Amino acid sequence: GQQLNQSPQSMFIQEGEDVSMNCTSSSIFNTWLWYKQDPGEGPVLLIALYKAGELTSNGRLTAQFGITRKDSFLNISASIPSDVGIYFCAGQSGANSKLTFGKGITLSVRP
Amino acid sequence: NAGVTQTPKFRILKIGQSMTLQCTQDMNHNYMYWYRQDPGMGLKLIYYSVGAGITDKGEVPNGYNVSRSTTEDFPLRLELAAPSQTSVYFCASSYRGGEKLFFGSGTQLSVL
Repeated sequence: GQQLNQSPQSMFIQEGEDVSMNCTSSSIFNTWLWYKQDPGEGPVLLIALYKAGELTSNGRLTAQFGITRKDSFLNISASIPSDVGIYFCAGQSGANSKLTFGKGITLSVRP
Repeated sequence: NAGVTQTPKFRILKIGQSMTLQCTQDMNHNYMYWYRQDPGMGLKLIYYSVGAGITDKGEVPNGYNVSRSTTEDFPLRLELAAPSQTSVYFCASSYRGGEKLFFGSGTQLSVL
């Protein structure tokens, strides 16, 4: 089946630093989404991308839909302690098809 | 807005016991989903429903059952709990299939 690869499993950064995460696949996706999960809560949608090459921002977050449609990137600028959590990428290959999730990256931010 | 509501938040079961995890949404979404999350393994789809009266298996359906008698409710049933079902369970809903999912806050289940 389709798989999304996120690595490393954990990242540790200093408050104020920028951090980039990527998500890759051997399959083409038509939609890419990035979710964040706070401890003890369900994932919440951060950014949705619908077109190859699309670059979208949400505050300090910026995500890009890769040109090949097989990858996506999330960048967090000027990190703050509340950025800690698990960041999941998800892809959809066609209209009404189910989402495929990556395994997630756990981000820790040192004050 | 309540969104997606799951109960209970925590539960401990003995092997062989049964229970139902409740999920309700007030957004009039057609699609509802049950996922389980194990550490470092991401989210795995158990069952999903595209509308009232229609359910289908996801990636890991064994040991679970669901029903969708109304648009709002999508309960998940464990008939004979096993230690392998220790996990965090998330219910989610979306207006269209695969579109932006709205998740509940999860049920942490331990089977001992």
